[in-house]
Amino acid sequence: GAGVSQSPSNKVTEKGKDVELRCDPISGHTALYWYRQSLGQGLEFLIYFQGNSAPDKSGLPSDRFSAERTGGSVSTLTIQRTQQEDSAVYLCASSLDVYGEQFFGPGTRLTVL
Amino acid sequence: AQSVSQHNHHVILSEAASLELGCNYSYGGTVNLFWYVQYPGQHLQLLLKYFSGDPLVKGIKGFEAEFIKSKFSFNLRKPSVQWSDTAEYFCAVNASKLIFGSGTRLLVRP
Repeated sequence: GAGVSQSPSNKVTEKGKDVELRCDPISGHTALYWYRQSLGQGLEFLIYFQGNSAPDKSGLPSDRFSAERTGGSVSTLTIQRTQQEDSAVYLCASSLDVYGEQFFGPGTRLTVL
Repeated sequence: AQSVSQHNHHVILSEAASLELGCNYSYGGTVNLFWYVQYPGQHLQLLLKYFSGDPLVKGIKGFEAEFIKSKFSFNLRKPSVQWSDTAEYFCAVNASKLIFGSGTRLLVRP
């Protein structure tokens, strides 16, 4: 079966624009996670979903960041009014349940000019 | 708050040398522990995991890790590294969410 997929693989945008990143988890995985990987910053947790609800949004850096998940499957991470410091690789992962092994997608490399 | 510390940020070894990467976490409850690896140009993949049972865990490619509860540690080891082990290694702890360490970049010289 297919792994976690993310689109687009690369996104270049201008400061102030909104972007939407998409994640398709492994079929049947109830938990879905978003992380950000910045140079020199390591891996930063953003938000996770159990089904369609997000019990923990504590990692979202600001109110410009939001995420939703529909149908217990696809998730989108939206960044409004992008800033240069938003430039990073955004990773999505999914797991069968919240305590299980997480399978990562290839990431979306976001560059804000 | 939960945290994970990886003390070695950069490690350079020659082939056939032994490897040990340190990982310490702070969380008093039950945890699941992981080591993930990211090879150059590839995405994160699981190397090994500990949920319960034998504290010495065997992973892929000859890696192993030992969970020492009293020391809150989960160090990664490999007796003899290869050039192909060059990668970034992340320790992670999952209590209610996965918390990653800052990563260790390993360079193995042929």
